[in-house]
Amino acid sequence: QSVLTQPPSVSAAPRQKVTISCSGSSSNIGNNNYVSWYQQLPGTAPKLLIYDNDKRPSGIPDRFSGSKSGTSATLGITGLQTGDEADYYCGTWDNSLSAYVFGTGTKVTVL
Amino acid sequence: QVQLVQSGAEVKKPGSSVKVSCKAFGGTFTTYAISWVRQAPGQGLEWMGRVIPMFGIAKYAQKLQGRVTITADKSTSTAYMDLSSLRSEDTAVYFCARGIRGGGAYYFDQWGQGTLVTVSS
Repeated sequence: QSVLTQPPSVSAAPRQKVTISCSGSSSNIGNNNYVSWYQQLPGTAPKLLIYDNDKRPSGIPDRFSGSKSGTSATLGITGLQTGDEADYYCGTWDNSLSAYVFGTGTKVTVL
Repeated sequence: QVQLVQSGAEVKKPGSSVKVSCKAFGGTFTTYAISWVRQAPGQGLEWMGRVIPMFGIAKYAQKLQGRVTITADKSTSTAYMDLSSLRSEDTAVYFCARGIRGGGAYYFDQWGQGTLVTVSS
């Protein structure tokens, strides 16, 4: 069982916006640990989308954004494109488990 | 920009062991942590553990403690993940990933292509 909870799926029409929540606890997100987000296209390795809660690596468009508040984090995707159809995972360090933990994953569908 | 290249797919019998390699091309190998992450068919990502090649110190997920060994060879810029006493539930794609750590931050900026390990009698 993952200690970070995400909605199983979200969907929206092209050019619309979706948000994905990542709910944790005081031992991970709420313990001043930064959150990162990964995009996994079908049959490929995960790709870093957001790090340190809200920073984008070089090459990631500003349609993707991240935020954190308390024990939760949120990934936002604006201007949705068919190429954004993928699974998205949040991740952070958990101090109690002394381990890196991933969220349960969210499948994004473009209607 | 470092590139991580993993060894090929494996088919193993229950009770046996598997060793997967992850070779780094370009960039710095020794000062970053290399983690192993696995993904069972249709399931999410699971962190298995990590090694810091410069120090050779490894840390493992509690669930796999005693069955997994992660090592690194600085001379060849290669990390290894050895999983023993294999069972059907270990069937998964195994990824290596370069970890960036510090000041509460921990994330994986480069990933290997993945190695499918199938455990079947």
